[in-house]
Amino acid sequence: GAVVSQHPSWVICKSGTSVKIECRSLDFQATTMFWYRQFPKQSLMLMATSNEGSKATYEQGVEKDKFLINHASLTLSTLTVTSAHPEDSSFYICSAREQNTEAFFGQGTRLTVV
Amino acid sequence: AQSVTQPDIHITVSEGASLELRCNYSYGATPYLFWYVQSPGQGLQLLLKYFSGDTLVQGIKGFEAEFKRSQSSFNLRKPSVHWSDAAEYFCAVANQAGTALIFGKGTTLSVSS
Repeated sequence: GAVVSQHPSWVICKSGTSVKIECRSLDFQATTMFWYRQFPKQSLMLMATSNEGSKATYEQGVEKDKFLINHASLTLSTLTVTSAHPEDSSFYICSAREQNTEAFFGQGTRLTVV
Repeated sequence: AQSVTQPDIHITVSEGASLELRCNYSYGATPYLFWYVQSPGQGLQLLLKYFSGDTLVQGIKGFEAEFKRSQSSFNLRKPSVHWSDAAEYFCAVANQAGTALIFGKGTTLSVSS
């Protein structure tokens, strides 16, 4: 089956620094990738949708300058949390799909900002 | 706008008992429906999905779900719960197979011995 890999699985960073999360499709070409965020004991909320080679489309309320999304290749998308603060601590999950197929989820990244 | 409602925040079931987790959706056309399970600190595992065809869908780990258009529901069922089923369960909807999912708030399942 289709495999989506996220790295790192967990990361701790200091407040004010930036952290990059990678999402890779291992056995298919991901024309579209989605980034979600999950606060503790809450549901997943879509942050943005990125199509390969295009700028990401952000959901209302998501700061595009803070959450930088790059989808420069068909197998890799990155989410960079810039100038991270404790309130950015969360579980970030990506999903990826080929053209006109269902999306598959990565295993998620636990970000803790101290 | 699409939405998903999971009315039960927390359910406790005895091991070996049957389980039904409720999910209601709001969407004008035929939705694409999913159930995922998430263990603490882990990612999402797809249990089953409904795109079209037979409204009773079989999934992994002995789960099944039934799509009822008249009730806008997609309830998840399992005839006999195992302690390892304790987890968070999310129902999700999409308007096409590859579009972003709208998730319900989740139901926490506890299994008592």
